[in-house]
Amino acid sequence: AVRMTQSPSSLSASTGDRVTITCRASQDIGYYLVWYQQKPGQAPKLLISSASSLQSGVPSRFSGSGSGTAFTLTISSLQSEDFATYYCQQYYASPYNFGQGTKLEIK
Amino acid sequence: QVQLQESGPGLVNPSETLSLTCTVSGYSLTNNYYWGWIRQPPGKGLEWIGNIFHSQSPYYNPSLKSRVTISIDTAKNKFSLNLTSLTAADTALYYCARVARLGMNYFDFWGQGTLVAVSS
Repeated sequence: AVRMTQSPSSLSASTGDRVTITCRASQDIGYYLVWYQQKPGQAPKLLISSASSLQSGVPSRFSGSGSGTAFTLTISSLQSEDFATYYCQQYYASPYNFGQGTKLEIK
Repeated sequence: QVQLQESGPGLVNPSETLSLTCTVSGYSLTNNYYWGWIRQPPGKGLEWIGNIFHSQSPYYNPSLKSRVTISIDTAKNKFSLNLTSLTAADTALYYCARVARLGMNYFDFWGQGTLVAVSS
């Protein structure tokens, strides 16, 4: 099974900061990676697919990059509504595993 | 816009079987999308359970395959999850969701989730 590892597990930042979250796959998954945002008490929300394709309605301050085994999610200028937990997920092969999550907190 | 709503018991005894239903509105299950189940233990990460398409056999996470059955009722526009031999480790928030694209096993629309506790 493809194992997904996110870093850091938690991150403190301030509004306006640029932040980057990393997701590493245990084997080459090409571009078969998505990012979700989950706020407390809510279901995950799809942000990015195919490693870098922004979903409709997602602010342009979010961006994704990478391929193979290393991927990043970048938020260029944090807004208050961005404080949440972020998950990556690979869809290259079953089981379609998620990363353990990165909790983005207000500094 | 597609909407999904999970339903089922909030509390189940250990060793028993969990049955959950996902009711879909705004979209027909006979159209060209897969549908799936994901769970999230309290305070923890997400685990994919399995997916189903209306005219094909479902496929499951190998870690749960021996205990899971996913079925679909196109007449009622619902799909269901059965999980047998429950233990406390199955306590989780269970989500149903739509697979975003054919052959691409990630999820674009999610239900709000239903919390299931396994306890006597």
